[in-house]
Amino acid sequence: EAGVAQSPRYKIIEKRQSVAFWCNPISGHATLYWYQQILGQGPKLLIQFQNNGVVDDSQLPKDRFSAERLKGVDSTLKIQPAKLEDSAVYLCASSLGNSIAGHEQYFGPGTRLTVT
Amino acid sequence: AQSVSQHNHHVILSEAASLELGCNYSYGGTVNLFWYVQYPGQHLQLLLKYFSGDPLVKGIKGFEAEFIKSKFSFNLRKPSVQWSDTAEYFCAVPNSGGYQKVTFGIGTKLQVIP
Repeated sequence: EAGVAQSPRYKIIEKRQSVAFWCNPISGHATLYWYQQILGQGPKLLIQFQNNGVVDDSQLPKDRFSAERLKGVDSTLKIQPAKLEDSAVYLCASSLGNSIAGHEQYFGPGTRLTVT
Repeated sequence: AQSVSQHNHHVILSEAASLELGCNYSYGGTVNLFWYVQYPGQHLQLLLKYFSGDPLVKGIKGFEAEFIKSKFSFNLRKPSVQWSDTAEYFCAVPNSGGYQKVTFGIGTKLQVIP
């Protein structure tokens, strides 16, 4: 089966610019996650979708970050305007979304963002 | 809120040495526990998981982990590491309340020297 797809793989922008990341989860996976992974740290959850609804965005900096998952499939994460501290790898993951599956998440390759 | 502690941030071992990476969590309710691994240049992927039953869980590539409820621990072990085990290892623990939210540890970078 195809894995989680993300694009772009790399992005370099200047501070105060905007950027968008795209994620296509594994077909049939109801739950989609966006994580931020800063160098030397573990992934930090930014937002979690169940189908096309947000179930957790408590750690999303809503003044500059936004995300949507239209039609419960693909998702986009946007940063506007970017700050230097947003430099990180942005990971997308998906899971089946039921308790029997046991929460196993499948990760995409990530987008490495550098803000200069 | 759940928290996860990984005690070893960078481990260097020679091939054939034994490995144990520590992981402790804070939430004391029903827990499902995971170890994920990221090999150089590859995606994060599941190494092993515990849900219930036998507290000794076996995963891929000869790894195992033991859930010790009284110690809130889920340490990862491998009797004899190989150069191909060089990777970063993350312990992850779901938060309570459903919806499959997990908290990841800071990660441990393992370097195996041939």
